[in-house]
Amino acid sequence: AQSVTQLDSQVPVFEEAPVELRCNYSSSVSVYLFWYVQYPNQGLQLLLKYLSGSTLVESINGFEAEFNKSQTSFHLRKPSVHISDTAEYFCAVSDTGGFKTIFGAGTRLFVKA
Amino acid sequence: EAGVAQSPRYKIIEKRQSVAFWCNPISGHATLYWYQQILGQGPKLLIQFQNNGVVDDSQLPKDRFSAERLKGVDSTLKIQPAKLEDSAVYLCASSLGGARNNEQFFGPGTRLTVL
Repeated sequence: AQSVTQLDSQVPVFEEAPVELRCNYSSSVSVYLFWYVQYPNQGLQLLLKYLSGSTLVESINGFEAEFNKSQTSFHLRKPSVHISDTAEYFCAVSDTGGFKTIFGAGTRLFVKA
Repeated sequence: EAGVAQSPRYKIIEKRQSVAFWCNPISGHATLYWYQQILGQGPKLLIQFQNNGVVDDSQLPKDRFSAERLKGVDSTLKIQPAKLEDSAVYLCASSLGGARNNEQFFGPGTRLTVL
């Protein structure tokens, strides 16, 4: 069985500061990893994903995440955040058979001016 | 491309009443998911369909929850009878299917309040 732990429930940060949202997972099998974002009053949408290949994956809006197999982590980072990045971020894991995606509890990122 | 549609958006019922939610996935998506998201928690998978067959319903409380996906397209999720602890947002998502095509597209959700 898989599980996902998001270590911070809330992360307040000032605009243009760097941010890291932490995600650790456990699994006995190979996994795919995802970050989903939920902006206020909107549905969840995929931010980025790791399936295979390069362990560093990037999104179109400047976020990146690195798959670290030895530490079973998939932390999300951005070097300089904007007010518009305020949202809830969910880390998720699924087995490579594509079944049962498990979501973490979410991290609420609040960017202050 | 139209997204995942869900209705109703909001529903308030008394405990022990019944309620049903409807989901229309993105056209061509073989896999459909129903999640329950309780306030302050991440989405929890209730049931996953591949076309009109059930892939995983291990976390569906089958004594009160049921779901169907007739003809492999639309799906309904029913709760009968509802309990106070069923208050949550019910999310429907769909994906193309297959291990490497499992990016999920989510609908806006139905917020259920049980009084």
